[in-house]
Amino acid sequence: QVQLQESGPGQVKPSQTLSLTCTVSGGSISSGDYYWNWIRQPAGKGLEWLGRIYSSGSIGYNPSLRSRVTISRDTSKNQFSLNLNSVTAADTAVYYCARGNTYGPPHDYWGQGTLVTVSS
Amino acid sequence: DFVVTQSPDSLAVSLGERATINCKSSPGVLYDSNNKNYLAWYQQKPGQPPKLLIYWASTRESGVPDRFSGSGSGTDFTLTISSLQAEDVAVYYCQQYYSIPFTFGPGTKVDI
Repeated sequence: QVQLQESGPGQVKPSQTLSLTCTVSGGSISSGDYYWNWIRQPAGKGLEWLGRIYSSGSIGYNPSLRSRVTISRDTSKNQFSLNLNSVTAADTAVYYCARGNTYGPPHDYWGQGTLVTVSS
Repeated sequence: DFVVTQSPDSLAVSLGERATINCKSSPGVLYDSNNKNYLAWYQQKPGQPPKLLIYWASTRESGVPDRFSGSGSGTDFTLTISSLQAEDVAVYYCQQYYSIPFTFGPGTKVDI
């Protein structure tokens, strides 16, 4: 059973960089026909897809955030990460990591989510 | 970007009755080479991550009760809950995964 767990600071100051890590268990992030996503959800609002990293290492981003977002991975730790720079209050949200299947559903396994608040 | 809309914004259904949620994607999400619609449905309850219900527009995820069904093709899709149960109270989202950035609909809140 694949499990994902987000971790990182719960509060970030405006203009600084938000950094989160997703630790995956029950499957390797560098094998199989999978990709690994970041998605966020402001309180009481809808879902926004931020980007993904394939098992091959190729990366895709949401153009609306392209200049501020970076996704990377550490295969030795079976983790992938999100960096979002120059944050503002608008980046306050629950951040989720989720698995996608190249030949199946886009997000079949999700982490529980972590709330990040941008505040001084 | 693909624009995904949903209707209604919310609906109240009696226990045991049918609930129907509509989703539109512009442009369409039917990939001609494999004849698959890149459209998924999720259920989200408060304090929980979304749960995948349906993908390829009509394929039910393993373990999802068969009262949930998806239909449609191209630009117009429907999620049907055939007999609403108390545990189905939630917000439902559709999502296109035909092209990045993947985009979600705004959600439909289902109440009893």
